[in-house]
Amino acid sequence: AQKVTQAQTEISVVEKEDVTLDCVYETRDTTYYLFWYKQPPSGELVFLIRRNSFDEQNEISGRYSWNFQKSTSSFNFTITASQVVDSAVYFCALSDPQSNDYKLSFGAGTTVTVRA
Amino acid sequence: DAGITQSPRHKVTETGTPVTLRCHQTENHRYMYWYRQDPGHGLRLIHYSYGVKDTDKGEVSDGYSVSRSKTEDFLLTLESATSSQTSVYFCAISEPTGPNLTEQYFGPGTRLTVT
Repeated sequence: AQKVTQAQTEISVVEKEDVTLDCVYETRDTTYYLFWYKQPPSGELVFLIRRNSFDEQNEISGRYSWNFQKSTSSFNFTITASQVVDSAVYFCALSDPQSNDYKLSFGAGTTVTVRA
Repeated sequence: DAGITQSPRHKVTETGTPVTLRCHQTENHRYMYWYRQDPGHGLRLIHYSYGVKDTDKGEVSDGYSVSRSKTEDFLLTLESATSSQTSVYFCAISEPTGPNLTEQYFGPGTRLTVT
């Protein structure tokens, strides 16, 4: 069975601080995909990144960066120099493409509050 | 933005009444999903579809049924709504390309309250 754990329920930071969101996953599969989604206060779910299990390169997109470490089954997300607009719930998710249903298993989410 | 709409966006209903939520897509994606979002649980899969008339259960399917008669529409029905089905419901779509997996794109959500 697949499982995603986001141990941090809530994180509160002051603007311009860096914030790192932890994501630990469990899967027996050798091929899988990991995702991060953002849910701002308006409620929609916004796709941020997809990473497959064969690509352990870290990725940076503007103020966002992701650290994928297969050895520790983690896919952590860092927001650098946080802004108020980063306030949202962030979800990590896992999918097994070999299951033919391509469904996502989500973590419980981490609520990030950035204070001005 | 992916063309996904959900209707209604908000609904209040009474216990024991049937409710149908609709997801409509304009992307011609093969896979469609229904999730529910509850505090502390993230999103959990209710049912999914991998083609017209092809559906299967997710992890929290009890009390729900689905139908997909056209590529673009995926309906979720609560046969007899209960208070435990008060939740926010999200529809998602994806289109795998060969062995590769695309990301899922989500609709705006439907907030359902069962009184």
